[in-house]
Amino acid sequence: DSGVTQTPKHLITATGQRVTLRCSPRSGDLSVYWYQQSLDQGLQFLIHYYNGEERAKGNILERFSAQQFPDLHSELNLSSLELGDSALYFCASSVIAGSGEQYFGPGTRLTVT
Amino acid sequence: DQQVKQNSPSLSVQEGRISILNCDYTNSMFDYFLWYKKYPAEGPTFLISISSIKDKNEDGRFTVFLNKSAKHLSLHIVPSQPGDSAVYFCAASASTGANNLFFGTGTRLTVIP
Repeated sequence: DSGVTQTPKHLITATGQRVTLRCSPRSGDLSVYWYQQSLDQGLQFLIHYYNGEERAKGNILERFSAQQFPDLHSELNLSSLELGDSALYFCASSVIAGSGEQYFGPGTRLTVT
Repeated sequence: DQQVKQNSPSLSVQEGRISILNCDYTNSMFDYFLWYKKYPAEGPTFLISISSIKDKNEDGRFTVFLNKSAKHLSLHIVPSQPGDSAVYFCAASASTGANNLFFGTGTRLTVIP
């Protein structure tokens, strides 16, 4: 158990809909990262928040947005969903924003039908 | 553009033998490298890391070797055990950048009893 929690574990929704994925980092970790893993692909970095502020963006679509709240939990919002958005979405946390280990949650499997 | 590459999608080894997983990278700014292990339906679990100031790091049965001139790293597992069967991801980050991780596509290791 990494100490990072993600909800829900599974999500099935239709095209055009909007969903919110939630992540709680390990106690004491200030950085939260979101990654997407599509079928047979490596994990693709989406976005990084540090202590409530956006630090970096990766391959995140404009239809996707995220935020980190004062209690340090984070939410990833996916809107106008398309079939290609079906993937595993992982959240990771680390103590600081520098190079170092990131600890991953169990992921949310999103299926868009 | 895949900056971290794992060219072997799968590897099978006999229990007790050595497993060698390889990883190549293209970005010379990467200065921190990590290996993660992933079981089905779980998030990636941090295994071992190495800074670019070193060429070897060892932790029990796991050793990571870094060849900066070749932009290549490898993970050695010896002796291999059936419980090591999982997907192994290589990841890299740059301390001068956003510190997000760039992942390879993974190598599925099967240790045969």
